Amino acid sequence: EPEVTQTPSHQVTQMGQEVILRCVPISNHLYFYWYRQILGQKVEFLVSFYNNEISEKSEIFDDQFSVERPDGSNFTLKIRSTKLEDSAMYFCASSGGLDSPLHFGNGTRLTVT
Amino acid sequence: QKEVEQDPGPLSVPEGAIVSLNCTYSNSAFQYFMWYRQYSRKGPELLMYTYSSGNKEDGRFTAQVDKSSKYISLFIRDSQPSDSATYLCAVYTGTASKLTFGTGTRLQVTL
Repeated sequence: EPEVTQTPSHQVTQMGQEVILRCVPISNHLYFYWYRQILGQKVEFLVSFYNNEISEKSEIFDDQFSVERPDGSNFTLKIRSTKLEDSAMYFCASSGGLDSPLHFGNGTRLTVT
Repeated sequence: QKEVEQDPGPLSVPEGAIVSLNCTYSNSAFQYFMWYRQYSRKGPELLMYTYSSGNKEDGRFTAQVDKSSKYISLFIRDSQPSDSATYLCAVYTGTASKLTFGTGTRLQVTL
């Protein structure tokens, strides 16, 4: 069964550094998402992306965050200057349509020290 | 009022028991309802996806939606130790792209 893959599985970075989290969505999907889950808390929406542009973003997704689909297969989340509070699991998801369920990857655990 | 409310548990049941997991939501604009299973340090895995009120069955799992009460349930029959995980309900309007999750219910199935 096709799946969403994310790399790396764990990223440790120092405060103020830039990180790029990578995702390969399911190949025929058109909608792409990033969610995050701080340890012990609920899964929170960050951003959705369709037709090479952001379609919706949450208040968490401030100017420090950006997303890109640099080629036909990858979808990336960049955090420009990481803060301690950015430490979380970051999940990529994709779906085939607005009325289709989201399929999630296994996440990247980001630790900011 | 939170958009989606879910009892965080933990819920502990013996193997073979029937498990009932529940969520309530506040916004009638939500039209699509999902249940995800999440093992520790893994991504949410889609279990059930429903649109209309009523029941949907898949193996040992039954999802139930009551739109009039804004209440969704997941039933697990003949629960197994491998069902031990956190179960997340999620709701979706179908027009906006944001999926809203409940806090998750942690389930432990004991031998």
